[in-house]
Amino acid sequence: GESVGLHLPTLSVQEGDNSIINCAYSNSASDYFIWYKQESGKGPQFIIDIRSNMDKRQGQRVTVLLNKTVKHLSLQIAATQPGDSAVYFCAVGSNDYKLSFGAGTTVTVRA
Amino acid sequence: DTGVSQDPRHKITKRGQNVTFRCDPISEHNRLYWYRQTLGQGPEFLTYFQNEAQLEKSRLLSDRFSAERPKGSFSTLEIQRTEQGDSAMYLCASSPPTGELFFGEGSRLTVL
Repeated sequence: GESVGLHLPTLSVQEGDNSIINCAYSNSASDYFIWYKQESGKGPQFIIDIRSNMDKRQGQRVTVLLNKTVKHLSLQIAATQPGDSAVYFCAVGSNDYKLSFGAGTTVTVRA
Repeated sequence: DTGVSQDPRHKITKRGQNVTFRCDPISEHNRLYWYRQTLGQGPEFLTYFQNEAQLEKSRLLSDRFSAERPKGSFSTLEIQRTEQGDSAMYLCASSPPTGELFFGEGSRLTVL
């Protein structure tokens, strides 16, 4: 099966700085990668996804980088805001279903 | 608001009782998933439907768990003879054939 791990369980960042959250996965056959944000008491909210035929994808204030060689995924958040405080999960899958999630990184934004 | 609706949002029950959760996916989504999330962990896959067909079940889904999607629209997840270890957030998600999963707000189960 797939094993997904996050490098840091917590991240504290100053408001306005950039945040980087890293994730490692084990299955080289995985071809779909997603980042979710989860606020307390709520379900995971889709942030951005990337497929294995790409190595970078940008959204609004977020960038996902994929390094298939070392099976590493990262999420960069530009100009971090207080509303970005949440738990962030990377999820990995194939055939677009049965995603395997990491344990999550709790991001705290300092004012 | 993702459009995936789950009910109830919270359920407290005594050990040994049966509970049922309902999920209404986004209407045009043909795929529906159930996940379980315990405190401090990421969601774990339980089962998956494409239209009304249940295509895969995780080994986490013991015989006490049953999920249905009778008409390919809403789904139910029933847990029989609940145990304290069943306490968790039960998340439903839906997706179109080639799109990302949209999660509901979850149904939190507490078994006393």
